[in-house]
Amino acid sequence: SQKIEQNSEALNIQEGKTATLTCNYTNYSPAYLQWYRQDPGRGPVFLLLIRENEKEKRKERLKVTFDTTLKQSLFHITASQPADSATYLCAGSNDYKLSFGAGTTVTVRA
Amino acid sequence: NAGVTQTPKFQVLKTGQSMTLQCAQDMNHEYMSWYRQDPGMGLRLIHYSVGAGITDQGEVPNGYNVSRSTTEDFPLRLLSAAPSQTSVYFCASRTRGATEETQYFGPGTRLLVL
Repeated sequence: SQKIEQNSEALNIQEGKTATLTCNYTNYSPAYLQWYRQDPGRGPVFLLLIRENEKEKRKERLKVTFDTTLKQSLFHITASQPADSATYLCAGSNDYKLSFGAGTTVTVRA
Repeated sequence: NAGVTQTPKFQVLKTGQSMTLQCAQDMNHEYMSWYRQDPGMGLRLIHYSVGAGITDQGEVPNGYNVSRSTTEDFPLRLLSAAPSQTSVYFCASRTRGATEETQYFGPGTRLLVL
C-alpha cells in the first residue's frame, strides 16, 4: 500500500541553525506533497504544497524540495527560532485523499 | 469565518455506546474528511465527501458511518464504540479544484472508550 514515512521522530536543534526534515514515499508516486505544522492539542495547519514537477518551493524561512528520483521531500526551516518548535507532518496525494506520515517533532533550543 | 469547528472537544464512552462527532465549516468547501490520529501512526483517513450527498470510505472506515446532507456539516457516527476507537479525531475541509489545495483542520475531538 502507498506509504509516507518520516524517518525521524524527533529533531533537536540550536536556535539560528537550519532544521532539515525528511519525507520518503513508497509504492506510489504522489502528484503533490504537503507539509503541515501541528502544535500540541491542536489541529494541523497547512504550510506548503509542492507538485511533482516542481523542484523547490519557498515561503519565508521555509523551503521544501521534491526529488522524484529519490522519492523524497526535504523540508528546511532556516534561522530556526524556539517558536518553530512543533510537530511537522508530511502528506502526499494523487487526488483528494491524503496519506500522512507520522510526523517529526522539532525542538529548537534557545 | 469560524473555519472548521468540531464538537465535543472531549468525550468518554463506554464500550458499546454510540455517539456522533459533529463537524461544520463555513467556507463553502465541497470536500470534507475525517481522520483519526494515534501515537506513532500519523493521520489516517476514515471517510470523506466530495459534496452534499456524496461520501466514500477512506483507509480505516470500519465502525464509523458518515452522511453529508448539507455542504456545511459532515457528522461522524460511531455505531458501537470499542476501545480501539480511542483516538483524536480531526475533521478537515478544502475547496475542489483550487490551484493550491490547502486543507483546513478543525481543533479535534479527543475520544476515550472504556
